[in-house]
Amino acid sequence: ETGVTQTPRHLVMGMTNKKSLKCEQHLGHNAMYWYKQSAKKPLELMFVYNFKEQTENNSVPSRFSPECPNSSHLFLHLHTLQPEDSALYLCASSAILRGFTDTQYFGPGTRLTVL
Amino acid sequence: TQLLEQSPQFLSIQEGENLTVYCNSSSVFSSLQWYRQEPGEGPVLLVTVVTGGEVKKLKRLTFQFGDARKDSSLHITAAQPGDTGLYLCAGANTGFQKLVFGTGTRLLVSP
Repeated sequence: ETGVTQTPRHLVMGMTNKKSLKCEQHLGHNAMYWYKQSAKKPLELMFVYNFKEQTENNSVPSRFSPECPNSSHLFLHLHTLQPEDSALYLCASSAILRGFTDTQYFGPGTRLTVL
Repeated sequence: TQLLEQSPQFLSIQEGENLTVYCNSSSVFSSLQWYRQEPGEGPVLLVTVVTGGEVKKLKRLTFQFGDARKDSSLHITAAQPGDTGLYLCAGANTGFQKLVFGTGTRLLVSP
């Protein structure tokens, strides 16, 4: 248990569906991240939020829409996905202290399958 | 673009054997981290090395950061089935917000 939870743990969706992934951290951190982990590529950073503000969008397609309502919660809204979007989506959080970002703690991930 | 290549990609060994995993880059990093990821879970941090030439030990695991801070190695002595998992190195520059992850090494230790 790392203090970062993700729901659901598994999700199967069709290409026309709309779904959301949820991440919650109980560590008092103020930075949150979404990563994509697929079999053929290294772990890819998708989005970064610092103090609820998005500071990084790593050229992610608009069919992925993040939302960070507060420092403890992070969502990833999904719509009209493609089969190649099937992957493990990981959330992470870290503390920012005096401008320095400390180590990231990862959640268990959501295994997404797009049919 | 900074890249980290890990070798080998896959490793299947018997309990009690020793092994070394390598993490190499042409870029310099201010620090380097090693994670282990078990099936169905997220990566869990094992160690952070920050000084060129630094060696850190975690029980049977020995981590080394290259003198030039471009590469790192992980050595496991007397591997156990509990060591099974995906090992990831990650390079960092000025803080740990933008990590560059390696390609990963999948280790299977059989009883």
